Amino acid sequence: AQTVTQSQPEMSVQEAETVTLSCTYDTSESDYYLFWYKQPPSRQMILVIRQEAYKQQNATENRFSVNFQKAAKSFSLKISDSQLGDAAMYFCAYRAYSGGGADGLTFGKGTHLIIQP
Amino acid sequence: GAVVSQHPSWVICKSGTSVKIECRSLDFQATTMFWYRQFPKQSLMLMATSNEGSKATYEQGVEKDKFLINHASLTLSTLTVTSAHPEDSSFYICSGLIGVNEKLFFGSGTQLSVL
Repeated sequence: AQTVTQSQPEMSVQEAETVTLSCTYDTSESDYYLFWYKQPPSRQMILVIRQEAYKQQNATENRFSVNFQKAAKSFSLKISDSQLGDAAMYFCAYRAYSGGGADGLTFGKGTHLIIQP
Repeated sequence: GAVVSQHPSWVICKSGTSVKIECRSLDFQATTMFWYRQFPKQSLMLMATSNEGSKATYEQGVEKDKFLINHASLTLSTLTVTSAHPEDSSFYICSGLIGVNEKLFFGSGTQLSVL
């Protein structure tokens, strides 16, 4: 079974600074997807960034970028120029690439990100 | 992006009663709907996977007779919590999938409180 580990229950960063959230995963599959989701107090799940494992290039979305190390099974999220609106729970998630039926997401336990003004 | 409408957003019920939660994909056809449960200060845990027109597949430890899932159309999936008990109190979230390897779209969630 796949597992996703987020070793940082809570992180704090000054506004406008850069912060990196860690995520490691375990799988025997070669093709899969990795995600970072943001869950603000409203609890709506918001997709931050998505990475296909077959792509060597790290995904980026504006101030958000990932460092995907497939051999190390590591998938960290870097948030640049942190803003107060970035404060939320961040979940790392894994999903197998499905050749048949669809698979759901396996989530890590989450990292609570605090932005200090 | 695509929208998944989930209702109700909040429900309180008495122990022993049943509660139905609906998820509708408003501008796409969800071939697959996933149901998750999230306890306070915890992560989301996959409960079951439902495909339109077929029986749902439940994750280990999830009682299929207690959590009834119906996916009768490509735009509607329902989760019924039967004979709810206080330990079923949780945040339930659905997520719709357009194609097997396409993007997932989440509903806004339902907070269930069983008294």
